[in-house]
Parts: sequence; C-alpha cells; structure tokens
Amino acid sequence: AQSVTQLGSHVSVSEGALVLLRCNYSSSVPPYLFWYVQYPNQGLQLLLKYTTGATLVKGINGFEAEFKKSETSFHLTKPSAHMSDAAEYFCAVSADTNAGKSTFGDGTTLTVKP
Amino acid sequence: KAGVTQTPRYLIKTRGQQVTLSCSPISGHRSVSWYQQTPGQGLQFLFEYFSETQRNKGNFPGRFSGRQFSNSRSEMNVSTLELGDSALYLCASSLTGQPNTGELFFGEGSRLTVL
Repeated sequence: AQSVTQLGSHVSVSEGALVLLRCNYSSSVPPYLFWYVQYPNQGLQLLLKYTTGATLVKGINGFEAEFKKSETSFHLTKPSAHMSDAAEYFCAVSADTNAGKSTFGDGTTLTVKP
Repeated sequence: KAGVTQTPRYLIKTRGQQVTLSCSPISGHRSVSWYQQTPGQGLQFLFEYFSETQRNKGNFPGRFSGRQFSNSRSEMNVSTLELGDSALYLCASSLTGQPNTGELFFGEGSRLTVL
C-alpha cells in the first residue's frame, strides 16, 4: 500500500523568496515519486519525477526535488518564486506493479505575494 | 503530438440521471486512468484500463464504470447520479513499457455538476 502526506494545505511566499513544499510518502516497494502542478480549471501537469538514480531531480520552471529515502521525503523547492508559480501542487507516488494507479497527496496551494 | 482530450468539458445533470464522459489519450499511449477530484476528497483513483481491460480499480461503487476501445479511447459512465458525484473528472494516459514509471499525462477534465 502507498500513501502521500503533504504538509501544509496552503503556503504563501513573497515574490523572489524560496519556495518549499513538503511531501512525505509511504510505500512497501521502491517508489516512483512525482510532483504535479494544477492551474485553475486545468488538468495536472508533471513538474518532475524520481524513478531511479540521482536523488536530486530537476524539473520544469526552475523546480527541483530531492528524494531522501531515510526520511521518506520528496520535498519540492524553487530558489526564487515568481507570480506565475501560484497554483496547486500535488505530490504523488506509484509503483511499477501499479503504474497506472498513482496515489496523490491532498495538494498544497501556493500563493505568491508581490 | 496532441495531448489528452476530454469531452465534454462541462456538463450539468440532475439526480438520478446518468452521464458518459469520453477521453482520447495521447497517440501511442495504451493505458488510460480516471480520477475524481473534489475539494473534500482530493484526487481519488477510479480505475485504469490497458488494452481494453480494466487493470486497476479504486474504491468506488458499481455506479461508476468504464471501458476502453481498441484505439485506446476510453469512456466512463456514472449511473443514478447523486449530488456527491459533482466533481472534476480527470483522465490521464501513460506510456506503458519497461520501466513503467507511471508518469501520467492529464487532460483538462470534465466538470460535472449534479443538481
């Protein structure tokens, strides 16, 4: 069984500030981990993913995340927030045996203040 | 390459009616998954189809059903609609193979309102 916990349903940062969105996961098998972003009235778009190999993964729009197995975490960061980053972010986990069935966290709404 | 296409984008139904939603995956993608998104429950997995067979199923009542056609297009049906079925229904396709990382490509969703 797999689960995802996103700490903080709402995060607010100032433009230019560091963005940190937290995600912890639980998985009985080696996980595949993802961050997706959703803009209003749209579907989800993949930001980045961890499958195997390098634990620091870089994604689109300047986002990156680090897989820490010992902490079962996959936190999303961006050094400098931009107004266009305001959206809802979802962390997700899947396993090779159920690759079409991802388990999503509850989402974190990011607000960027001017 | 065209993305995942869902139709209709918006629809309004009344309690007791049924609804059919359609999803066309990215060309070459053989896996199609459906998710229900609501403010209270977040993103909930409904089911996944691969090669016209349901491969995974979430914890939803039998009123929710789906199918996949030989061209990988998928439909989901909800019968006897309830107010609680109001949601954004998201379809996602994925490229199956080895390794199968489970990366999902989402459509824009079908927003269902049940009155």
